[in-house]
Amino acid sequence: GESVGLHLPTLSVQEGDNSIINCAYSNSASDYFIWYKQESGKGPQFIIDIRSNMDKRQGQRVTVLLNKTVKHLSLQIAATQPGDSAVYFCAESGREYGNKLVFGAGTILRVKS
Amino acid sequence: DAGITQSPRHKVTETGTPVTLRCHQTENHRYMYWYRQDPGHGLRLIHYSYGVKDTDKGEVSDGYSVSRSKTEDFLLTLESATSSQTSVYFCAIRGAGTGELFFGEGSRLTVL
Repeated sequence: GESVGLHLPTLSVQEGDNSIINCAYSNSASDYFIWYKQESGKGPQFIIDIRSNMDKRQGQRVTVLLNKTVKHLSLQIAATQPGDSAVYFCAESGREYGNKLVFGAGTILRVKS
Repeated sequence: DAGITQSPRHKVTETGTPVTLRCHQTENHRYMYWYRQDPGHGLRLIHYSYGVKDTDKGEVSDGYSVSRSKTEDFLLTLESATSSQTSVYFCAIRGAGTGELFFGEGSRLTVL
């Protein structure tokens, strides 16, 4: 598969543990944030999003937390499974970016069985 | 499945040759995007379109042009490919009424 990041930060977790992937975003005026998952050789897949008027949003086995004070976004994955192994990207959007998404470099999640 | 097809999925070409990548969508979405993905850089926007014949530049548009003559097709052209354009190219569409993007499977381009 394609190598999307040779020097990306890597998080290794044991199967069944919870994972927390962090992202520092750039613009304090950004008002929309998304997490994407990218498996080897595939395009990014939407996981969950959050608007700036919220600080937490939950999905199925995933939770996104937004801390606007320190411009920090995190993705929590409960009971991590081998199928969760992938590169995870955060993206931000807002008027400063013409409402287009700007992506971070990504974090590799490796799940050990 | 967001109904996005990219072609070709893999291409090897030589420096100086023209290359066109095609993105086809079946969902009739207005907004379409071309990104490139390189190690350590994440996804960077090349060009985008907000309707037929309406396009605009992204952050890394130099050396690329686009065309959108039909809602369903968004073409990315490298008029004269260079080795720095070796990359994986992703097309995306924006969901109706949302800010999220749905991506195609990517086109890997190698310029020798």
